[in-house]
Amino acid sequence: GAVVSQHPSRVICKSGTSVKIECRSLDFQATTMFWYRQFPKKSLMLMATSNEGSKATYEQGVEKDKFLINHASLTLSTLTVTSAHPEDSSFYICSARDSRLVASTDTQYFGPGTRLTVL
Amino acid sequence: AQSVTQLGSHVSVSEGALVLLRCNYSSSVPPYLFWYVQYPNQGLQLLLKYTSAATLVKGINGFEAEFKKSETSFHLTKPSAHMSDAAEYFCAVSESGGFKTIFGAGTRLFVKA
Repeated sequence: GAVVSQHPSRVICKSGTSVKIECRSLDFQATTMFWYRQFPKKSLMLMATSNEGSKATYEQGVEKDKFLINHASLTLSTLTVTSAHPEDSSFYICSARDSRLVASTDTQYFGPGTRLTVL
Repeated sequence: AQSVTQLGSHVSVSEGALVLLRCNYSSSVPPYLFWYVQYPNQGLQLLLKYTSAATLVKGINGFEAEFKKSETSFHLTKPSAHMSDAAEYFCAVSESGGFKTIFGAGTRLFVKA
């Protein structure tokens, strides 16, 4: 089956530093990837849609200069949390759509998530 | 705009009992509907999805869900709960052919021995 990986799985950083999270589709190509944020005991909040070769589309209220997204290849999207602060601590999950499938299937494959803790 | 409402943030059942997790949706266009399961500190795993074919959808691990347009519901059921079913369950909706998926708040299922 389709597998999406995330790296790192867990990261602890100091306030003010930047952190990069990678999302990879391991056995399929993904022209579209999604980044979600999940607060403790809460649902997933869509942050942005990452499109290969073009700028990401951010949801309302998400700072694009704070959360930089790059989708440089068909198998890799990165989320960089710039100048991280404790309130950025969260569980970040990515998902990817298989480009080979027709749009009607609309299946997303989720990564295992990255736990970010900002001290 | 689309939205999803999951009734009950917590559901507790005994092992072997029926599992029923409720989900109601709102969509101005024919929706695609999904149920996902999340174990602690893990990503989401797709249980099942409805994409305008059969209204009764069977998924993995013995789960199934029925799409009822008149009730705008997509409730998740399993005849007999197992301890390993204890997890967080999310109902989600997207527009057919669309890209954006909206998730419900989630329901935590507890299974008592």
